[in-house]
Amino acid sequence: EIVLTQSPGTLSLSPGERATLSCRASQSVSSNSLAWYQQKPGQAPRLLIYGASNRAAGSPDRFSGSGSGTDFTLTISRLEPEDFAVYHCQQYGGSPPYAFGQGTKLDIK
Amino acid sequence: EVQLVESGGGLVQPGGSLRLSCAASGFTFSSCAMHWVRQAPGQGLEYVSSISTDGGVTFYANSVKGRFTVSRDNSKSMLYLQMGSLRSDDMAVYYCARDSPGGGWTYLDYWGQGTLVTVSS
Repeated sequence: EIVLTQSPGTLSLSPGERATLSCRASQSVSSNSLAWYQQKPGQAPRLLIYGASNRAAGSPDRFSGSGSGTDFTLTISRLEPEDFAVYHCQQYGGSPPYAFGQGTKLDIK
Repeated sequence: EVQLVESGGGLVQPGGSLRLSCAASGFTFSSCAMHWVRQAPGQGLEYVSSISTDGGVTFYANSVKGRFTVSRDNSKSMLYLQMGSLRSDDMAVYYCARDSPGGGWTYLDYWGQGTLVTVSS
């Protein structure tokens, strides 16, 4: 069973800065089957990125995903106030059960 | 517009049972695998269970296997999670989520707003 480790646990940045979030898998994720979700307080998660680098419909182009194998990155090029949230990665290669990372909280510095 | 609306959460005593429901609309329900994911207070997301488009294939997290049963009624566009032998560590917001259309097991492209399950005496 794949284990996903996200780092850092909390990232404190200012609007306008660049954010780099990491998701590392305990074994290779097949076919780059890695998704990123954004979750704001009191809300359900929302799909941002799938297939490691494909933006979901409605995701702003300041969000980008990269990586392969065991190391994946979510980058937010220039932080907007609405981007401060918790970000979760998830692997879905093969079949369930799926794995989620523990989340990275992006908060305002 | 895709909508997923969970219901059935509430307060239950340890050892008790509860059935969660998820009403789907705005898409062809029978074409999408479905999932349950939970989130304990202040914690990350935890995979719970999945069901194939026709209900013939199901998956469970080890933590709920043998206690929870996922099912669906495609004629009613409904997803269910029957939970039994509930424990304090089952306390969480339970989300239903849609697997991306296409028939395979992929990412979760739509989520419901969640329903809170509280396990306490």
